[in-house]
Amino acid sequence: GIQVEQSPPDLILQEGANSTLRCNFSDSVNNLQWFHQNPWGQLINLFYIPSGTKQNGRLSATTVATERYSLLYISSSQTTDSGVYFCAVNQAGTALIFGKGTTLSVSS
Amino acid sequence: GAVVSQHPSRVICKSGTSVKIECRSLDFQATTMFWYRQFPKKSLMLMATSNEGSKATYEQGVEKDKFLINHASLTLSTLTVTSAHPEDSSFYICSARVVAGVHYNEQFFGPGTRLTVL
Repeated sequence: GIQVEQSPPDLILQEGANSTLRCNFSDSVNNLQWFHQNPWGQLINLFYIPSGTKQNGRLSATTVATERYSLLYISSSQTTDSGVYFCAVNQAGTALIFGKGTTLSVSS
Repeated sequence: GAVVSQHPSRVICKSGTSVKIECRSLDFQATTMFWYRQFPKKSLMLMATSNEGSKATYEQGVEKDKFLINHASLTLSTLTVTSAHPEDSSFYICSARVVAGVHYNEQFFGPGTRLTVL
């Protein structure tokens, strides 16, 4: 099956700093999504991005499908950005396969 | 975005009892839903794929007789943990795939159910 690797596993930032999270996947995919898991466990959809670039406020994402990786950019980080960020991929309507996540801690 | 609900959000039960968890797509129809399990500080592990009107497909190592899945309508899937034991304690999350509209092919997740078996 597809392997999904996320890096770094942990990231500690000061408020206001920028960061880049990476997701590598081992095979071609039809879907790639980025999520933020809040402290209560809810997965918040950030981006549906099988290819190309999208931006939403301070967050943006880029997926280079031919090279099998995606990047999530967080600019001017805030304490509320803290939590676990997951990348997940699938093929042709199957279940999403998750990476192990990046745990982000932003301090004031 | 599309909304998925789960009920209950938290359940505590005695060892040997059965627990049913409901997953509903509130504003879209879902022919396919997925059930995941998450241990503390770990990633989500796929348990099974729930198909409306047919049998669920279980991942390797998941006991189908222990984790019963029913997908009786286009908006509801249920997971029943039968004869629960303490090792079944976990965070269970469902998701549904959108098959039409602006969120086509995107999957949305329920808020999860935290099961504690005493």
